[in-house]
Amino acid sequence: AQKITQTQPGMFVQEKEAVTLDCTYDTSDPSYGLFWYKQPSSGEMIFLIYQGSYDQQNATEGRYSLNFQKARKSANLVISASQLGDSAMYFCAMRETQTSGSRLTFGEGTQLTVNP
Amino acid sequence: DTEVTQTPKHLVMGMTNKKSLKCEQHMGHRAMYWYKQKAKKPPELMFVYSYEKLSINESVPSRFSPECPNSSLLNLHLHALQPEDSALYLCASSPDWASVPTGWYFGPGTRLTVT
Repeated sequence: AQKITQTQPGMFVQEKEAVTLDCTYDTSDPSYGLFWYKQPSSGEMIFLIYQGSYDQQNATEGRYSLNFQKARKSANLVISASQLGDSAMYFCAMRETQTSGSRLTFGEGTQLTVNP
Repeated sequence: DTEVTQTPKHLVMGMTNKKSLKCEQHMGHRAMYWYKQKAKKPPELMFVYSYEKLSINESVPSRFSPECPNSSLLNLHLHALQPEDSALYLCASSPDWASVPTGWYFGPGTRLTVT
């Protein structure tokens, strides 16, 4: 069974600074995908960034980048130039493909607060 | 159009009521999912439909009854719920069951309160 661990229940960052949200994972599946989602208080899960297990380069999407260290089984999210609107819950998730199909499993989440 | 819509946004129901949650996507996705999320917790998978067939039921109590009438529509029928079933119910879709890279698109959720 796969496991996703986010060790930071809460993080604080000053506006315009960068912040790293940690995520480690454990899986026996050689083919897997790692996702980061943002969930504001409104509830919608907003997709941010994806990294495949065979991708050679770290994924980037605008101000979001994923620091993928496969040997250490970590997939940390880096948000550059934080904005007040970045305050939200952030979930790391992993797609694992089994004979019964794919499933997306989430970590416990990190509540990010951006201070002005 | 990369949108998954869910109705209603909010629902309050008594323990003897019958209600339904609706989810719709027009992206041509062939896999659709129901997740349940309690406050301050991650979403938990309830059901997976692939090509309109129920593929995964995560041992969900029978008071939750999913239905996939067509490839665009997913319903969750609710009957005789308990107060502990109060949660945010999220619907998601993906192109197919093993899709990459962006995979899962989520709707805004239905906030359910059982009184």
